[in-house]
Amino acid sequence: QSALSQPASMSGSPGQSITISCTGSTNGFDDDDYVSWYQQHPGKAPRLILYEVSHRPSRVSDRFSGSKSGNTAYLTISGLLAEDEADYFCSSQIDITVLFGRGTRLTVL
Amino acid sequence: EALLVQSGGGVVQPGESLRLSCEASGFSIGTYAVAWVRQSPGKGLEWVSAISGSGNVTYYADSVKARFTVSRDNSEKTIFLEMTNLRVDDTAVYYCTRGPGHWFDPWGQGILVTVCS
Repeated sequence: QSALSQPASMSGSPGQSITISCTGSTNGFDDDDYVSWYQQHPGKAPRLILYEVSHRPSRVSDRFSGSKSGNTAYLTISGLLAEDEADYFCSSQIDITVLFGRGTRLTVL
Repeated sequence: EALLVQSGGGVVQPGESLRLSCEASGFSIGTYAVAWVRQSPGKGLEWVSAISGSGNVTYYADSVKARFTVSRDNSEKTIFLEMTNLRVDDTAVYYCTRGPGHWFDPWGQGILVTVCS
């Protein structure tokens, strides 16, 4: 079954950098540049933070960056702030198939 | 600023129907596809359906195919998700979201659909 795997939880201290991984098992994921990342605070709707692996909407802080190597995409958050504490989801779209990872809960200690 | 505001939802019994609405503003609605994504505690985010900007092409996840119908009225700037024969496992928060490319932005505020007997 096609899936995107993320760590269930991660934590970091203010000012640190963390990297969340997203590993795809679906055919074509390693060639796919249509990976996006979403941030979701409790009780709120998801918010786009990266698209096409590493592109950032203008409203999103440059502390958020993305990369991809083979079948794994990465979201890096540098200079952690308390407001970064949230759930982070990766997503991939191949043809008409849209997949989401189960999400990573980031705790800022 | 592009904005999506949702309405509808509520509590229904298995087998009943419900219609969700998603009103768009701040962008040319006919230019963009819109998708519906749901989120339940046990399953995370799940893509449900999508409709092209013109409304001519629709897509559905296997889990809702033949039960859900997506449509749009561009003159009213509204997208609809008609849900029939609802099941307990359809219980989730449903989001509409614009698909400018192979990503989703912005998202509606979400609306809770609860199916229980």
